Amino acid sequence: AQSVTQLDSHVSVSEGTPVLLRCNYSSSYSPSLFWYVQHPNKGLQLLLKYTSAATLVKGINGFEAEFKKSETSFHLTKPSAHMSDAAEYFCVVSDNWGKLQFGAGTQVVVTP
Amino acid sequence: ETGVTQTPRHLVMGMTNKKSLKCEQHLGHNAMYWYKQSAKKPLELMFVYNFKEQTENNSVPSRFSPECPNSSHLFLHLHTLQPEDSALYLCASSQYPPGEGASGANVLTFGAGSRLTVL
Repeated sequence: AQSVTQLDSHVSVSEGTPVLLRCNYSSSYSPSLFWYVQHPNKGLQLLLKYTSAATLVKGINGFEAEFKKSETSFHLTKPSAHMSDAAEYFCVVSDNWGKLQFGAGTQVVVTP
Repeated sequence: ETGVTQTPRHLVMGMTNKKSLKCEQHLGHNAMYWYKQSAKKPLELMFVYNFKEQTENNSVPSRFSPECPNSSHLFLHLHTLQPEDSALYLCASSQYPPGEGASGANVLTFGAGSRLTVL
């Protein structure tokens, strides 16, 4: 069995400050992990993925995430938030058979 | 454009109506999915199709009827829906279906969704 928990349902940051979105997972296998972003009235878009290669993964739009097996975490970060980063972010875990489990999402608000 | 197109983008229907949602992908993917996205809830997988064959049905009520005539098109036929069925319905595709290929290859490409309101 696998599960994913996004620790914050809402995050508010000022433009230009760092963003941290927290994700913890549980899995009986060596998981693959993903972050997706959903802008208003849009579908989900892949930001980045971890598939047992480098533990620090760089994605699009300046985002990166670090896989920490000892902490069962896959937190998403960005050094400097932009207004266009306002969206909902989903952490996703995949088992060895490609079955996905989505987190509940974190809504990010960016203030000027 | 993400390569996955959903129509209509918005749909309002009464509980006795029959309507259909359409999804089309031009990515050459082999698997297609329907997800339901409701407020305050994680995405719920409804159906999975692999090369036109349904491989997963997550206990979805029979008032939702999927159809996959080929690997590029997916429909969701709706009839006698309930107000609680109001949600954003997302279509997705992937190169490999769950269970085939490396798990890391199972990246989903999503459409923009069809916003359904049942009155």
